[in-house]
Amino acid sequence: EVQLVESGGGLVQPGGSLRLSCAASGFTFSRSSMHWVRQAPGKGLVWVSRINTDGSTSYADSVKGRFTISRDNAKNTLYLQMNSLRAEDTAVYYCVTDASVGGYWGQGTLVTVSS
Amino acid sequence: QTVVTQEPSFSVSPGGTVTLTCGLTSDSVSTSYYPFWCQQTPGQAPRTLIYNTNTRSSGVPDRFSGSILGNKAALTITGAQADDESDYYCALYLGSGISVFGGGTKLTVL
Repeated sequence: EVQLVESGGGLVQPGGSLRLSCAASGFTFSRSSMHWVRQAPGKGLVWVSRINTDGSTSYADSVKGRFTISRDNAKNTLYLQMNSLRAEDTAVYYCVTDASVGGYWGQGTLVTVSS
Repeated sequence: QTVVTQEPSFSVSPGGTVTLTCGLTSDSVSTSYYPFWCQQTPGQAPRTLIYNTNTRSSGVPDRFSGSILGNKAALTITGAQADDESDYYCALYLGSGISVFGGGTKLTVL
């Protein structure tokens, strides 16, 4: 059974940093591209970032230069380093496996950016 | 800027058939955009229904199907049930590793 467990969310002040983690199990993590998707309260889904199996990365324009996606295949863990956080980054952040392995979603972790 | 379009809302009668669509403001949607559909009920994480246009994710009943209709991607629900009442999101792959979600369709079953 595929499991994705996000952690690391919380309350942070504008301009602050946070690192999210996603622990993966039940599939061959190293062979799957992985994504982060976020959802602001009461709003729709927004794709944030992708990391491929070779470590290459892509970002939405809204987070480019502020967020960094990475992975540790030895630990089966996906990360999202978030710097220079803004109020508009407040959202539930989901990690998602690539569609080619079924597009499984974690339960999400809430990030709140507020003073 | 490329925008992915979806109907904001739709309604269907129990047992009926409904087709939700996913378009682009700048182009026709084809299989090259690898259309992706997911379902989200309030307070829950999304669940993938369809990927690569028409491949059902594990455990998804066959009354959910994906296709290309005209210049849009489409999600068809045949024999709608009360628990299909959810928000449905499509996403398209725009290339260079970038994907974009549509604004979602709120489906009411009544």
